[in-house]
Order: sequence, then C-alpha cells, then structure tokens
Amino acid sequence: DAKTTQPNSMESNEEEPVHLPCNHSTISGTDYIHWYRQLPSQGPEYVIHGLTSNVNNRMASLAIAEDRKSSTLILHRATLRDAAVYYCILRGGANAGKSTFGDGTTLTVKP
Amino acid sequence: DSGVTQTPKHLITATGQRVTLRCSPRSGDLSVYWYQQSLDQGLQFLIQYYNGEERAKGNILERFSAQQFPDLHSELNLSSLELGDSALYFCASSAFTGVGQPQHFGDGTRLSIL
Repeated sequence: DAKTTQPNSMESNEEEPVHLPCNHSTISGTDYIHWYRQLPSQGPEYVIHGLTSNVNNRMASLAIAEDRKSSTLILHRATLRDAAVYYCILRGGANAGKSTFGDGTTLTVKP
Repeated sequence: DSGVTQTPKHLITATGQRVTLRCSPRSGDLSVYWYQQSLDQGLQFLIQYYNGEERAKGNILERFSAQQFPDLHSELNLSSLELGDSALYFCASSAFTGVGQPQHFGDGTRLSIL
C-alpha cells in the first residue's frame, strides 16, 4: 500500500490559517487523497478528498502538488474546535475499501 | 452528527466471552466499514461490506466476523475475547463503494475486556 508521511504535531494560533502537509511519494495514478480528522472521544470525521485538482469545501481546502507526491490541507481560519488529529490517507486500486490510517498530525490551536 | 449509529457505546466483558457490536449506516448508504482503534495500533481497517456482500478484508482476526443484513445494518461479532481486544471499534458508511467515496464514522463502541 502507498503510505503517507505527516508531521507528528503542529501548533497554530486561533483565527490564523493552518497548512497541514502530507507526503505520499509512492502514490499511484488511481489513488485518491483523503483527509479525516478525529476530535477527542469521537470517531474520525471526513474533511475533504481529491485526485489531481485542488479542492475546496466548507471545511477546508486541499492543495495537491502537480506531481501528486504531496498535498496540503488548508484550514483558512483555525478555531479552537479545529484542535484534533488530522489523518491523510490514500485510497485506490484493489484496496479501494481499505483506508490505512497512520499516526496523523496532532493540531493544537492556541487562543 | 454523522448519521451513523453504533450500539452499545460501552461494553465491559471478560476474557473468553463473545460480544456483538451493531452499526446502522447513514440513510441511503450501501457500504459499511469496520475499524479497530487501540492505543498501540492506531486505526486499523477490519472489513467492508457493500449491499450485503463482503467487499474488502483487512487485519481482521479469525475470531472476529461480520455481516451486513438486508436492511443494511451491520454487526461485528467478536468471540473468544482476549485482553488485547480491548479497543474502540468504529463503524463507517459510504453511499457506494469506490476510492472516491468519503466515509462517515460513528462515535464507536468502547470494548473493555477484564
């Protein structure tokens, strides 16, 4: 399975933008990039996903590098409620149903 | 609220016992996924069902089994329980199967083995 690499932790100030990076150098052409986040004591929450083009939704933006070997989740204005573990995962091919979650990035938001 | 309902929220039992975890997917979703999250293993994919049929299998032990019923709810059966099975078990659902489908997770069942 193609794997992803994320920093263990990041800090942000409230109301400032946050850029969460993810490296996936072994991504294949059919792999989608998905982002989820998990707040304490809750199940993972879908954030955004994309294949090649940048994507925007009400929660965040996803910027995908031209070679697709990395991506960045952008939270435009961090709030205290955005403090969570953020997971970047790849889903594709024969493993379409499987989502391999790594350790993710723990985002701390400071008031 | 993701729309995915898992019951029970908490379960405490003893080694050697058998338990059944239940999941109701979001209305209209055909695919159900089960995950195990423990402190030392992170979030591990167990198994996926799509419209009643097994679709993908992950790191699921032979002591564990699952099924999806005609009304699309799913059950995860865990037998001959061991201390190491203590974990959070999450169910997720998606509209269809496929790599572009976002998964929507329930709040999990916390299983404690004494």
